[in-house]
Amino acid sequence: GESVGLHLPTLSVQEGDNSIINCAYSNSASDYFIWYKQESGKGPQFIIDIRSNMDKRQGQRVTVLLNKTVKHLSLQIAATQPGDSAVYFCAEIRGDKLIFGTGTRLQVFP
Amino acid sequence: DTGVSQNPRHKITKRGQNVTFRCDPISEHNRLYWYRQTLGQGPEFLTYFQNEAQLEKSRLLSDRFSAERPKGSFSTLEIQRTEQGDSAMYLCASTKGAVDQPQHFGDGTRLSIL
Repeated sequence: GESVGLHLPTLSVQEGDNSIINCAYSNSASDYFIWYKQESGKGPQFIIDIRSNMDKRQGQRVTVLLNKTVKHLSLQIAATQPGDSAVYFCAEIRGDKLIFGTGTRLQVFP
Repeated sequence: DTGVSQNPRHKITKRGQNVTFRCDPISEHNRLYWYRQTLGQGPEFLTYFQNEAQLEKSRLLSDRFSAERPKGSFSTLEIQRTEQGDSAMYLCASTKGAVDQPQHFGDGTRLSIL
């Protein structure tokens, strides 16, 4: 299938390790953020979201951290699995639309 | 399957032809968005609807592009007189109501201009 993001930053991790994907955003007024996972040939898939009145939110195997002081967002994936291999995008709501950051390709090796 | 559905999945056409894509959002989602994604980039906003009203259009949406959502359910995106630079993945997303609800995406229509 077609690859998404041939020249994206890449994070390579061993299966079972934890992954941390980082994202910087530009608009200090943004108050809602989302992480998406995109596999080759598919649309972005919602993973987890966080509002600006929070600094941490946990889901199943995923945690999002928000640092508003430095406008930084991170996605932590626990016990990374081969099925986690994909391109990950952070996105912020600006007005009524999503603004996507530069994606990161996550590669999981055995 | 109750997710966002897009048709066709792939479209190959010659430069200068017109193409139309369809998006069926998740039922009861009143907001519908169109994005364009090129290789190596994140999706870029094109336009969105609340029910049948088109509320915002990006400067990326030239006069050759038109989108409709006539009954507030499915939407179509038409590109007239296609150009090579129109080659991209066209993604549709929907959400219910407020802006702080996650947008759910379809798997897109891949457009290739020969």
